[in-house]
Amino acid sequence: DAGVTQSPTHLIKTRGQQVTLRCSPKSGHDTVSWYQQALGQGPQFIFQYYEEEERQRGNFPDRFSGHQFPNYSSELNVNALLLGDSALYLCASSLALGVSYEQYFGPGTRLTVT
Amino acid sequence: GQNIDQPTEMTATEGAIVQINCTYQTSGFNGLFWYQQHAGEAPTFLSYNVLDGLEEKGRFSSFLSRSKGYSYLLLKELQMKDSASYLCAVRDPYGQNFVFGPGTRLSVLP
Repeated sequence: DAGVTQSPTHLIKTRGQQVTLRCSPKSGHDTVSWYQQALGQGPQFIFQYYEEEERQRGNFPDRFSGHQFPNYSSELNVNALLLGDSALYLCASSLALGVSYEQYFGPGTRLTVT
Repeated sequence: GQNIDQPTEMTATEGAIVQINCTYQTSGFNGLFWYQQHAGEAPTFLSYNVLDGLEEKGRFSSFLSRSKGYSYLLLKELQMKDSASYLCAVRDPYGQNFVFGPGTRLSVLP
């Protein structure tokens, strides 16, 4: 049973560039959430996708956008990168109508903006 | 608003017991979760409380008092591998997302 996978593992970008991060949810899960975790901090919720639509959004600017595909995988796009966007980006999957209370996290993508 | 508070760092000795506290003030509540996160890795689920009281799971126990907005994670018989960050999180009642605290970095010394 495949868990949550994310790609790439590491990424280095320059200020002003754009980046796309990818996530495949755990088998059977239909909901994907994205979090940003700065060094030494707890994860901060960016947004959640369900049925290919953004269902909830945290306090992040419009430079952060996303997409969910029919197979439930998801992308996170960040435009006009800033130095402060350097962080670990975590994807978590869950089942919208299931009884499980857990979110399963992927290994994350470490983004460095120079 | 959402506010979750935890101590930043704690140190304990191998074989000892440590209690990590978490206080929260949130606009809604749908369960309190504890996650363990080793450096550079994803958070992994440890425990879950939705009702008041103590939940025990092997060497780990978690306590919740909803009226006080307070929880703690108790780790017994500490091992070196328990050195990690411990994240307290409250689940959003409107969805399935979590509001995380800043995390407590625990160092277990020999």
